[in-house]
Amino acid sequence: SQQGEEDPQALSIQEGENATMNCSYKTSINNLQWYRQNSGRGLVHLILIRSNEREKHSGRLRVTLDTSKKSSSLLITASQAADTASYFCATDAAQGAQKLVFGQGTRLTINP
Amino acid sequence: DTGVSQNPRHKITKRGQNVTFRCDPISEHNRLYWYRQTLGQGPEFLTYFQNEAQLEKSRLLSDRFSAERPKGSFSTLEIQRTEQGDSAMYLCASTLGQGSYNSPLHFGNGTRLTVT
Repeated sequence: SQQGEEDPQALSIQEGENATMNCSYKTSINNLQWYRQNSGRGLVHLILIRSNEREKHSGRLRVTLDTSKKSSSLLITASQAADTASYFCATDAAQGAQKLVFGQGTRLTINP
Repeated sequence: DTGVSQNPRHKITKRGQNVTFRCDPISEHNRLYWYRQTLGQGPEFLTYFQNEAQLEKSRLLSDRFSAERPKGSFSTLEIQRTEQGDSAMYLCASTLGQGSYNSPLHFGNGTRLTVT
């Protein structure tokens, strides 16, 4: 079973608008990561946030983490057509798990 | 910068045939992962190696699946007696792992398997 669940499953916005995606997970974690996947390609790492961090920024990306609610959000500001992709959150498990478990993803479409 | 390389990019095979995929990770990475992804879903963990040791296998990995990483370098994933349900994208990823901390994964572009 998959650890994370993204919401919404699909999001369509106009270029220049902000996009927000949410991720919920089930067990305690060491860190949470966000990845992007363009159609037919592998995943690309975007940002990693550790369990003792609450917010992290990278360029137009802002990630928040609320461990009490077991949830995270990814905000993409001033969206561009090139941001069209699927976005996945991935978590490890705090008790020594060596693998990342991915959610089902949010398909983001940026309309010009 | 040489990333993770997967071959072939596409494989079409008939049900019952065996197939083998290869993954060449980033050279200094000690951990190598195999994931499977079907359309509209996130990647599902199959197995991972630390150096040449296969340390974990998912229950998704039936007896028809086997993976190796000889000498801790490239890895192969073999599927015997393929079934139509094996049709998916098979993704390989590598990372430099230390202890229980999960660092970012570097993915290849995958091998898309179609079983007819």
